[in-house]
Amino acid sequence: DIQMTQSPSSLSASVGDRVTITCRASQSISTYLNWYQQKPGKAPNLLIYATSSLQSGVPSRFSGSGSGTDFTLTISSLEPDDFATYYCQQSYSTPRTFGQGTKVEIK
Amino acid sequence: QITLKESGPTLVKPPQTLTLTCTFSGFSLSISGMGVGWIRQPPGKALEWLALIFWDNDKRYSPSLKSRLTITKDTSKNQVVLSMTNMDPVDTATYYCAHSDLTRTLGAFDYWGQGTLVTVSS
Repeated sequence: DIQMTQSPSSLSASVGDRVTITCRASQSISTYLNWYQQKPGKAPNLLIYATSSLQSGVPSRFSGSGSGTDFTLTISSLEPDDFATYYCQQSYSTPRTFGQGTKVEIK
Repeated sequence: QITLKESGPTLVKPPQTLTLTCTFSGFSLSISGMGVGWIRQPPGKALEWLALIFWDNDKRYSPSLKSRLTITKDTSKNQVVLSMTNMDPVDTATYYCAHSDLTRTLGAFDYWGQGTLVTVSS
């Protein structure tokens, strides 16, 4: 199985901050890396697929980069609606493993 | 537009079998590249991928749960069914089904159901 490790597990940030979350795969997954946002009591919402492609309707302040084993989700200027938990997930092979999540909290 | 909805029991006694149905619309599971997956999330914990079925009836399972899981599809009814045997309180979680498209999003889960909370308790 491919293990996905996110860092940090949580972070505190202010509105307007630039936020970066990293995800590392235990082996190369090419660019088969996806990012989801989840708010309490809600289903996850796909933000970015294939490392850097923005899902329809997702604000352009979200961006993704990386390849191989190391990936990054960046929020260029944090908005109040962005306080949530973020998960990475690989779709290179099955099992389709998720990271453990990064909770973005208000500072 | 694509929608999915999970249905099934909210309370299961150990060691009963859980059967969940995902009813979807807006796509056909007979089209090349399409898939429907199941993901669960225990309260306050991370997402856990369970199973995935593809348009060609290829089925994939979580290795740690493979012996307990069965996933099937009924293309004519637009449904995917997940069965999990020998339920235990640690299986208490919100269970989600989600759409996957290998061609457009390289297998990401781009549409999700609202989820259904299943509690396992005697």
